[in-house]
Amino acid sequence: DAKTTQPPSMDCAEGRAANLPCNHSTISGNEYVYWYRQIHSQGPQYIIHGLKNNETNEMASLIITEDRKSSTLILPHATLRDTAVYYCIVRVAGGSYIPTFGRGTSLIVHP
Amino acid sequence: DGGITQSPKYLFRKEGQNVTLSCEQNLNHDAMYWYRQDPGQGLRLIYYSQIVNDFQKGDIAEGYSVSREKKESFPLTVTSAQKNPTAFYLCASSISAGDEQFFGPGTRLTVL
Repeated sequence: DAKTTQPPSMDCAEGRAANLPCNHSTISGNEYVYWYRQIHSQGPQYIIHGLKNNETNEMASLIITEDRKSSTLILPHATLRDTAVYYCIVRVAGGSYIPTFGRGTSLIVHP
Repeated sequence: DGGITQSPKYLFRKEGQNVTLSCEQNLNHDAMYWYRQDPGQGLRLIYYSQIVNDFQKGDIAEGYSVSREKKESFPLTVTSAQKNPTAFYLCASSISAGDEQFFGPGTRLTVL
């Protein structure tokens, strides 16, 4: 499975959009991009995933570039409760792949 | 109320003692996992189980043991052989291996 690269930390003002990048330049055609987040001292929580089309749900939007080598998770109106570590994972759908969670991006939303 | 639970939230043990961390799920998931997280680090896979009575070692299985006698339960024993057991332990489950994972709240183990 493709590896991912994320900035170690970012910050954002409350109410503004938070744009979290992820580079996955070695992604294969059948690999999805998944995003999870982990609020301090809790377990990770699934946010969103996509293959090549942009996706949106009640939590966030996922923008995947046309060449699929990178993606951006967008939190449209960040709140203080969005302060967390965000993990970008690429994986094949189905099969027996066990996700690995690197260090992710620590997002701090400030007032 | 479906979910995955871990107990206790905080656990203290003396060095040299074995300790068992509980993980229970009522989601009817086949697959369950244990991860370890150290401060400022990502999650590292200890053991996982794709089905009852079967489990496989992850990346850092040394010093740990598991059992999967029931579908809903996947306890982790931290043995005295684990050199640095103090960490945050996370249990997860999924419908089957490879599907979206649901995580428990975690157990923070401190060995004194």
